[in-house]
Order: sequence, then structure tokens, then C-alpha cells
Amino acid sequence: DIQMTQSPSAMSASVGDRVTITCRASQGISNYLVWFQQKPGKVPRRLTYAASSLQSGVPSRFSGSGSGTEFTLTISSLQPEDFATYYCLQQNSYPWTFGQGTKVEIK
Amino acid sequence: QVQLVESGGGVVQPGRSLRLSCAASGFTFSRYSMHWVRQAPGKGLEWVTIISFDGSNKYYADSVKGRFTISRDNSENTLYLQMNSLRAEDTAVYYCARELVSTIFGVVSRDAFDIWGQGTTVTVSS
Repeated sequence: DIQMTQSPSAMSASVGDRVTITCRASQGISNYLVWFQQKPGKVPRRLTYAASSLQSGVPSRFSGSGSGTEFTLTISSLQPEDFATYYCLQQNSYPWTFGQGTKVEIK
Repeated sequence: QVQLVESGGGVVQPGRSLRLSCAASGFTFSRYSMHWVRQAPGKGLEWVTIISFDGSNKYYADSVKGRFTISRDNSENTLYLQMNSLRAEDTAVYYCARELVSTIFGVVSRDAFDIWGQGTTVTVSS
């Protein structure tokens, strides 16, 4: 099975900060990588797919990049509504696997 | 509008069974592969299983293999998850989500998890 390692597991940041979350795959997954945002008690929301394609309706301050084994989600200027938990998901092979999550909290 | 609605969750004793349903509307259900994803209380997301658009292919997480069975009825636009031999560690919110698979010049494109259901809660406890 492919392991997805997210870092950091948690972070504190201020409004306006640039935030970068990393996901590393235990083996190459091409660009089969999706990023989600989840707020407490809510359904996950897809932010990007195919590693770098932005989901329709998602603000342009979110961007995804990477290929192979290393991927990043970047929030260019953190907004109050962005405080949430973020997950990556590999879709290269079954079983699909999520990263353990990154909780972004207010500093 | 495009919608997935899960049902069938509840409280069940260890070792018993439960069947979840996911009703789809607003899109051509028979074109989409369908997945179940779960989230235990206070924990992260866990992929559970997938069924292809026509039901011919199914895959499972090791944690549920041999106990859970995914199925679908394209005439009723409904996805199912039969859960047998339930354990305390199966306690979670269960979500269904869709995936559109396409192949262009031999390259597989996966457009997955753009739409999720609201989730149904399964609690396994004596």
C-alpha cells in the first residue's frame, strides 16, 4: 500500500501568512493527488485535483503542485475562513490512502 | 441539483450487520464509479471501498475486506454498503462520494470526490 505522509501535522499561522503543506508518497503516484479542506462537523471539500488543477469555485489563493512523490498545497495569503484541517489523497492505486491531516490554527 | 444522500446509519452491537444506502440525484449515476469513505470520531479520513460504474470492479481497504460488501443499483441510482461482523473500530461517519473516470490517449483521468454526501453515523457498541 502507498503511504501518504503529511507535514506538518498541525501549525499556527496568522491571517495574511503564506502557508505550505507537504504530502509525500511512499512511491511514485504521478499526478494522482487530491487536496481537501475540512472544517469541524462539515463534509470535506475538494480544493485541487490532478495535483495542480484548482476546483471550480475555490479561491485562487489556493494552489497545488508536485508530481511523483512530493506534493504541496499552498495558501498564498491565509484568510479567517481557511482555518481548518487539510488532507491529501493518493488515487494512483488501490487502496487509496489519505494523509493524516494538517490542522491549521489561528496564531 | 447534484446530490448524494446517505441513510441507514445507527447504533449496532458488535458482530451484527448494517446496510448503508446512498441515493444519487442530479447526475447520470451509471457513468460514475462510487466510493465509501469513513471518519472515526476525532480522526482523519479513511478510504473504504470503490465500485466501478457498472459494478464489475470492486476494491476494499484491508480493514474491511471480507466483512463489507459494496454494491449498486443503477436503475435506482443507489449505492449500498453491506457491513457485517461489525467492530467497535468501525464506528465512524460514513460518506459516499463519486468519481468520473475517463481515458484520453491511454492516460487515465480521475475526477473524484467533487461531490460528497452529508454522511451517516454508524456506532458499534454493546
